[in-house]
Amino acid sequence: AQSVAQPEDQVNVAEGNPLTVKCTYSVSGNPYLFWYVQYPNRGLQFLLKYITGDNLVKGSYGFEAEFNKSQTSFHLKKPSALVSDSALYFCAVRDKDSGYSTLTFGKGTMLLVSP
Amino acid sequence: EPEVTQTPSHQVTQMGQEVILRCVPISNHLYFYWYRQILGQKVEFLVSFYNNEISEKSEIFDDQFSVERPDGSNFTLKIRSTKLEDSAMYFCASIDRAGGDNSPLHFGNGTRLTVT
Repeated sequence: AQSVAQPEDQVNVAEGNPLTVKCTYSVSGNPYLFWYVQYPNRGLQFLLKYITGDNLVKGSYGFEAEFNKSQTSFHLKKPSALVSDSALYFCAVRDKDSGYSTLTFGKGTMLLVSP
Repeated sequence: EPEVTQTPSHQVTQMGQEVILRCVPISNHLYFYWYRQILGQKVEFLVSFYNNEISEKSEIFDDQFSVERPDGSNFTLKIRSTKLEDSAMYFCASIDRAGGDNSPLHFGNGTRLTVT
């Protein structure tokens, strides 16, 4: 079985400050890891993914994520937050080795960036 | 940029009625999915569809649910007899597996289903 935990329901940060949205995962084999963002009344939009190789992955809108195998984490980061980054963020995992193709999502973390 | 489109954006129905949620995936994609998101809760997998048949389904996807690709472009989710607990946002997604197993899903904007 595969699962994702996002321990924070909400993260508050001031514009210009760095942000981190936490994610930990559980898979039997090796993971493919994804971050998606959801704006109000919209579907989920792909931000970035980890497949293999470099543990620091860069994605859209200045976001990056760091894969840590020993801590089974894939935290989303951005050096300087914007008010327009305020949205719901989802971490997702797929087990690379099981042939089980479905993405499993976390419950989401609401990011609020204040001016 | 091509998009996954879903209609309607909001559907209100009475308990026990049948509903059909419609999706037009991205045209060259081959794998299709339905997910749902109950308000305030996580996004849950319902079913995946490839080559005109279900490839995987979750425990949520019971006999009340069915999927169909009737005309090669539309991809529909039918709930035969809706229950109050079916109220949720339903998302359609598609993927181009030519990019491999690490290809990201492309989601539609969702249909909000309200069962009264």
